[in-house]
Amino acid sequence: QVQLQESGPRMVKPSETLSLTCTVSGSSIKIGYYWGWIRQTPETGLEWIANIFLGGSSYYNPSLKSRVTISIDTSKNQFSLKLNSVTAADTAIYYCARGRQASAYDSWGQGTLVTVSS
Amino acid sequence: EIVMTQSPATLSVSPGERATLSCRASQSVSNSLAWYQQKPGQAPRLLIYDVFTRATGLPARFSGSGSGTEFTLTISSLQSEDFALYYCQQYNTWQTFGQGTKVEIK
Repeated sequence: QVQLQESGPRMVKPSETLSLTCTVSGSSIKIGYYWGWIRQTPETGLEWIANIFLGGSSYYNPSLKSRVTISIDTSKNQFSLKLNSVTAADTAIYYCARGRQASAYDSWGQGTLVTVSS
Repeated sequence: EIVMTQSPATLSVSPGERATLSCRASQSVSNSLAWYQQKPGQAPRLLIYDVFTRATGLPARFSGSGSGTEFTLTISSLQSEDFALYYCQQYNTWQTFGQGTKVEIK
Protein backbone atom coordinates (compact mmCIF):
# COMPACT_ATOMS: atom_id res chain seq x y z
CA GLN A 1 0.00 0.00 0.00
CA VAL A 2 1.39 3.37 -0.97
CA GLN A 3 2.38 5.80 1.77
CA LEU A 4 3.34 9.45 1.43
CA GLN A 5 5.26 11.46 4.01
CA GLU A 6 5.90 15.19 3.97
CA SER A 7 9.12 16.56 5.39
CA GLY A 8 10.71 19.96 5.70
CA PRO A 9 11.00 22.97 8.02
CA ARG A 10 7.93 23.63 10.15
CA MET A 11 8.67 27.33 10.42
CA VAL A 12 9.71 29.75 7.69
CA LYS A 13 10.44 33.47 7.97
CA PRO A 14 8.47 35.97 5.89
CA SER A 15 9.94 36.63 2.43
CA GLU A 16 11.91 33.35 2.54
CA THR A 17 11.30 30.09 0.65
CA LEU A 18 9.16 27.25 1.92
CA SER A 19 10.60 23.89 0.87
CA LEU A 20 8.87 20.56 1.35
CA THR A 21 9.62 17.04 0.17
CA CYS A 22 7.21 14.13 -0.16
CA THR A 23 8.70 10.67 0.12
CA VAL A 24 6.68 7.91 -1.50
CA SER A 25 6.93 4.35 -0.21
CA GLY A 26 5.16 1.16 -1.16
CA SER A 27 4.94 2.19 -4.80
CA SER A 28 7.27 3.48 -7.47
CA ILE A 29 6.82 7.13 -8.28
CA LYS A 30 7.42 6.13 -11.89
CA ILE A 31 4.18 4.18 -12.18
CA GLY A 32 1.35 5.94 -13.97
CA TYR A 33 -0.01 8.45 -11.49
CA TYR A 34 0.50 12.14 -10.99
CA TRP A 35 1.73 13.82 -7.82
CA GLY A 36 0.48 16.94 -6.17
CA TRP A 37 0.56 19.41 -3.34
CA ILE A 38 -2.52 20.79 -1.59
CA ARG A 39 -2.74 23.06 1.42
CA GLN A 40 -5.45 23.73 3.97
CA THR A 41 -6.29 26.56 6.34
CA PRO A 42 -9.41 27.16 8.41
CA GLU A 43 -9.99 30.40 6.48
CA THR A 44 -9.50 29.24 2.88
CA GLY A 45 -10.17 25.52 3.16
CA LEU A 46 -8.46 23.15 0.74
CA GLU A 47 -6.38 24.81 -1.97
CA TRP A 48 -4.66 23.00 -4.82
CA ILE A 49 -1.08 24.20 -5.30
CA ALA A 50 0.56 22.18 -8.06
CA ASN A 51 0.76 18.84 -9.87
CA ILE A 52 3.56 17.07 -11.66
CA PHE A 53 3.44 14.16 -14.07
CA LEU A 54 6.16 11.59 -14.64
CA GLY A 55 6.93 12.97 -18.10
CA GLY A 56 7.89 16.24 -16.43
CA SER A 57 4.78 18.25 -17.16
CA SER A 58 3.79 20.43 -14.24
CA TYR A 59 0.73 22.52 -13.56
CA TYR A 60 0.25 25.31 -11.09
CA ASN A 61 -2.61 27.09 -9.40
CA PRO A 62 -2.73 30.38 -11.33
CA SER A 63 -2.94 32.33 -8.08
CA LEU A 64 0.36 30.85 -6.87
CA LYS A 65 2.14 30.14 -10.14
CA SER A 66 4.62 33.01 -9.92
CA ARG A 67 5.96 31.71 -6.59
CA VAL A 68 5.77 27.91 -6.89
CA THR A 69 8.01 25.19 -8.29
CA ILE A 70 7.24 21.49 -8.17
CA SER A 71 9.83 18.89 -9.07
CA ILE A 72 10.29 15.13 -9.02
CA ASP A 73 13.28 12.93 -8.23
CA THR A 74 12.59 9.41 -9.44
CA SER A 75 15.90 8.09 -8.09
CA LYS A 76 14.77 8.93 -4.55
CA ASN A 77 11.04 8.25 -5.09
CA GLN A 78 10.34 11.80 -3.97
CA PHE A 79 8.77 14.98 -5.23
CA SER A 80 9.18 18.46 -3.85
CA LEU A 81 7.57 21.85 -3.48
CA LYS A 82 9.17 25.27 -3.28
CA LEU A 83 7.11 28.35 -2.50
CA ASN A 84 9.04 31.58 -2.40
CA SER A 85 8.41 35.02 -0.94
CA VAL A 86 6.14 33.57 1.74
CA THR A 87 3.90 35.64 3.96
CA ALA A 88 1.71 34.83 6.94
CA ALA A 89 -1.05 33.94 4.47
CA ASP A 90 1.01 30.90 3.45
CA THR A 91 0.73 29.42 6.93
CA ALA A 92 -1.16 26.18 6.38
CA ILE A 93 -1.18 22.43 6.60
CA TYR A 94 0.57 21.20 3.47
CA TYR A 95 -0.37 17.81 2.04
CA CYS A 96 1.28 15.79 -0.67
CA ALA A 97 -0.92 13.40 -2.58
CA ARG A 98 -1.03 10.86 -5.40
CA GLY A 99 -3.47 11.41 -8.20
CA ARG A 100 -5.11 8.87 -10.45
CA GLN A 101 -4.56 9.68 -14.12
CA ALA A 102 -6.77 12.66 -15.02
CA SER A 103 -8.69 12.09 -11.82
CA ALA A 104 -8.77 12.57 -8.07
CA TYR A 105 -6.20 12.09 -5.31
CA ASP A 106 -6.44 8.57 -3.97
CA SER A 107 -3.64 8.70 -1.41
CA TRP A 108 -2.56 11.55 0.85
CA GLY A 109 0.27 12.21 3.24
CA GLN A 110 -0.62 13.00 6.83
CA GLY A 111 0.07 16.68 6.27
CA THR A 112 2.56 19.02 7.85
CA LEU A 113 1.83 22.38 9.45
CA VAL A 114 4.11 25.09 8.17
CA THR A 115 4.05 28.40 9.99
CA VAL A 116 5.34 31.61 8.46
CA SER A 117 6.60 33.83 11.24
CA SER A 118 9.59 35.96 12.13
CA GLU B 1 -11.40 29.74 -11.55
CA ILE B 2 -14.26 27.30 -11.15
CA VAL B 3 -15.98 27.92 -7.83
CA MET B 4 -17.42 24.91 -6.02
CA THR B 5 -20.29 25.65 -3.65
CA GLN B 6 -21.40 23.03 -1.17
CA SER B 7 -24.67 22.96 0.70
CA PRO B 8 -25.66 22.85 3.39
CA ALA B 9 -22.71 24.01 5.47
CA THR B 10 -23.86 21.74 8.30
CA LEU B 11 -26.16 18.74 8.08
CA SER B 12 -27.63 17.30 11.28
CA VAL B 13 -28.65 13.68 10.83
CA SER B 14 -29.56 10.83 13.14
CA PRO B 15 -27.66 7.55 12.86
CA GLY B 16 -29.35 5.26 10.37
CA GLU B 17 -30.87 8.11 8.42
CA ARG B 18 -30.05 9.22 4.90
CA ALA B 19 -27.75 12.16 4.23
CA THR B 20 -27.74 14.10 0.98
CA LEU B 21 -24.90 16.56 0.33
CA SER B 22 -24.87 18.93 -2.64
CA CYS B 23 -22.08 20.47 -4.66
CA ARG B 24 -22.57 23.05 -7.40
CA ALA B 25 -19.94 24.19 -9.87
CA SER B 26 -19.86 27.71 -11.30
CA GLN B 27 -19.42 26.16 -14.77
CA SER B 28 -19.52 22.67 -16.17
CA VAL B 29 -16.86 20.28 -14.88
CA SER B 30 -18.04 17.39 -17.07
CA ASN B 31 -17.61 14.22 -14.97
CA SER B 32 -14.45 15.42 -13.24
CA LEU B 33 -15.85 15.47 -9.74
CA ALA B 34 -14.69 13.80 -6.54
CA TRP B 35 -15.82 13.63 -2.93
CA TYR B 36 -13.55 13.38 0.10
CA GLN B 37 -14.17 12.75 3.79
CA GLN B 38 -12.03 14.39 6.44
CA LYS B 39 -11.97 13.75 10.17
CA PRO B 40 -10.22 15.97 12.74
CA GLY B 41 -6.46 15.76 12.55
CA GLN B 42 -6.52 13.57 9.46
CA ALA B 43 -5.90 14.07 5.77
CA PRO B 44 -8.83 13.96 3.38
CA ARG B 45 -9.81 10.48 2.24
CA LEU B 46 -11.07 9.83 -1.27
CA LEU B 47 -14.61 8.47 -1.35
CA ILE B 48 -15.92 8.97 -4.88
CA TYR B 49 -14.24 9.99 -8.13
CA ASP B 50 -15.43 10.64 -11.66
CA VAL B 51 -18.85 11.54 -10.16
CA PHE B 52 -19.98 8.07 -9.12
CA THR B 53 -17.04 5.62 -8.92
CA ARG B 54 -16.46 4.44 -5.35
CA ALA B 55 -12.88 4.30 -4.08
CA THR B 56 -11.50 0.87 -3.25
CA GLY B 57 -13.14 -0.56 -0.16
CA LEU B 58 -15.76 2.15 0.22
CA PRO B 59 -19.04 0.81 1.58
CA ALA B 60 -21.96 0.75 -0.81
CA ARG B 61 -23.95 3.13 1.40
CA PHE B 62 -21.94 5.93 -0.23
CA SER B 63 -23.02 6.95 -3.72
CA GLY B 64 -22.37 9.85 -6.03
CA SER B 65 -24.47 11.30 -8.81
CA GLY B 66 -24.87 14.32 -11.03
CA SER B 67 -23.37 15.88 -14.11
CA GLY B 68 -22.23 19.19 -15.47
CA THR B 69 -22.67 21.59 -12.59
CA GLU B 70 -24.84 19.80 -10.04
CA PHE B 71 -23.60 16.89 -7.98
CA THR B 72 -24.78 14.91 -4.98
CA LEU B 73 -23.18 12.63 -2.43
CA THR B 74 -25.66 10.36 -0.71
CA ILE B 75 -25.01 8.31 2.39
CA SER B 76 -27.92 5.92 2.58
CA SER B 77 -27.78 5.00 6.26
CA LEU B 78 -25.39 6.99 8.41
CA GLN B 79 -23.06 5.05 10.64
CA SER B 80 -21.20 6.55 13.60
CA GLU B 81 -17.95 6.67 11.63
CA ASP B 82 -19.57 8.77 8.87
CA PHE B 83 -19.92 11.90 10.98
CA ALA B 84 -17.19 14.08 9.48
CA LEU B 85 -16.45 16.86 7.00
CA TYR B 86 -17.09 16.22 3.32
CA TYR B 87 -15.53 18.11 0.42
CA CYS B 88 -16.17 18.05 -3.29
CA GLN B 89 -13.40 18.71 -5.79
CA GLN B 90 -13.39 19.43 -9.51
CA TYR B 91 -10.39 18.50 -11.64
CA ASN B 92 -11.72 19.47 -15.05
CA THR B 93 -10.08 22.91 -15.19
CA TRP B 94 -7.13 23.06 -12.79
CA GLN B 95 -8.46 21.92 -9.43
CA THR B 96 -10.70 23.52 -6.87
CA PHE B 97 -12.44 22.31 -3.74
CA GLY B 98 -15.72 23.20 -2.13
CA GLN B 99 -15.78 24.74 1.32
CA GLY B 100 -17.11 21.58 2.91
CA THR B 101 -20.23 20.19 4.55
CA LYS B 102 -20.08 19.07 8.15
CA VAL B 103 -22.24 16.05 8.88
CA GLU B 104 -23.04 16.05 12.58
CA ILE B 105 -25.09 13.89 14.89
CA LYS B 106 -28.62 15.10 15.39
